[in-house]
Amino acid sequence: GQQVMQIPQYQHVQEGEDFTTYCNSSTTLSNIQWYKQRPGGHPVFLIQLVKSGEVKKQKRLTFQFGEAKKNSSLHITATQTTDVGTYFCAVYSGGGADGLTFGKGTHLIIQP
Amino acid sequence: GAGVSQSPRYKVAKRGQDVALRCDPISGHVSLFWYQQALGQGPEFLTYFQNEAQLDKSGLPSDRFFAERPEGSVSTLKIQRTQQEDSAVYLCASSLERRDPYGYTFGSGTRLTVV
Repeated sequence: GQQVMQIPQYQHVQEGEDFTTYCNSSTTLSNIQWYKQRPGGHPVFLIQLVKSGEVKKQKRLTFQFGEAKKNSSLHITATQTTDVGTYFCAVYSGGGADGLTFGKGTHLIIQP
Repeated sequence: GAGVSQSPRYKVAKRGQDVALRCDPISGHVSLFWYQQALGQGPEFLTYFQNEAQLDKSGLPSDRFFAERPEGSVSTLKIQRTQQEDSAVYLCASSLERRDPYGYTFGSGTRLTVV
């Protein structure tokens, strides 16, 4: 099935700095979803990207889907302490399998 | 209900005990998924239901794991003869359709600790 690599695994930033996490696949993806999980919490859906080259924004968050639909990124501008957590990308496995496959996530740690 | 409800929130089991974890999805959500999440890792797919039918159980790690959703709403994940490697958070998620563009809604999970 589909596998996705997320980098970096951990990212320490000062509050107010920008943050980016990347999700890469060796095969073309039909779509990609992003989730956020706060410490001690559960994953919460952020967005789905479907089209080649698509860019979507949610306040300080910018999501991009690569032209070849093999990679995606999530960029946060001017991080705040409320952004702390783990950001996961998730894709549907190949062959019509039913469940989303999640990346290992990027843990965002913010130093005030 | 307003969200996905899971119980118990925490479960400590002695090695060899059987456990049952409950998931109450959002009313009307056809699709229900179980995931296992180890500490510091991403959720790993276990099984998928469409209504009462279990359409994919490819992620269940062994035949000690069993899931059911007999009336197409509440689901139970049962683990027999628990082992220490079963210690993890078990997440349930539901969605309106199998590949929902609005993603999955996850419950708060059950943290299982096998001692």
